[in-house]
Amino acid sequence: LAKTTQPISMDSYEGQEVNITCSHNNIATNDYITWYQQFPSQGPRFIIQGYKTKVTNEVASLFIPADRKSSTLSLPRVSLSDTAVYYCLGMDTGRRALTFGSGTRLQVQP
Amino acid sequence: GAVVSQHPSWVICKSGTSVKIECRSLDFQATTMFWYRQFPKQSLMLMATSNEGSKATYEQGVEKDKFLINHASLTLSTLTVTSAHPEDSSFYICSARDRRPTDTQYFGPGTRLTVL
Repeated sequence: LAKTTQPISMDSYEGQEVNITCSHNNIATNDYITWYQQFPSQGPRFIIQGYKTKVTNEVASLFIPADRKSSTLSLPRVSLSDTAVYYCLGMDTGRRALTFGSGTRLQVQP
Repeated sequence: GAVVSQHPSWVICKSGTSVKIECRSLDFQATTMFWYRQFPKQSLMLMATSNEGSKATYEQGVEKDKFLINHASLTLSTLTVTSAHPEDSSFYICSARDRRPTDTQYFGPGTRLTVL
């Protein structure tokens, strides 16, 4: 089981870059690292997924070091609407189901 | 990304009744879907894995006779909460696994169940 650890909460201000780091020491060799965003009373929304090095899309960047024991989600110039819970996830190789940790509650202030 | 829908988005029912929640993958076929439950201020908890054409696999502590799962087609899975009680009130979320191009799970918008 790919257990992940991430900060419980983070605070930021509008326009700043936010980096959320997640540790996943026992991630399996074939697993991708996936990040989701969840607003209250909504299902998680896929943000980005990567295997190693750096991945960038229109929403965020994902940095994964060579040992893959951690990953960092980078949100450029956050706005108030980025206030949400962010989950870092590893794939459970046995069931191929995502196992959710506690997530990081990001609060963006004006 | 791929789209997953759920119906209904919310439901209120009396104790003892059964409630069915539908989960559909709209633009891809999903041989595997998952059902999660989320209580207020908590993370998502996996309830069961739904496999098309076969029996669901339930997580430890989840009663299979209470939470009936059917995955009769490649785009539809249903969760039926039988003989619902107030403690079953929760936010139920499904996800569907899209194997191409990468193995990614996409989530539905969730269903808020309130049992009176």
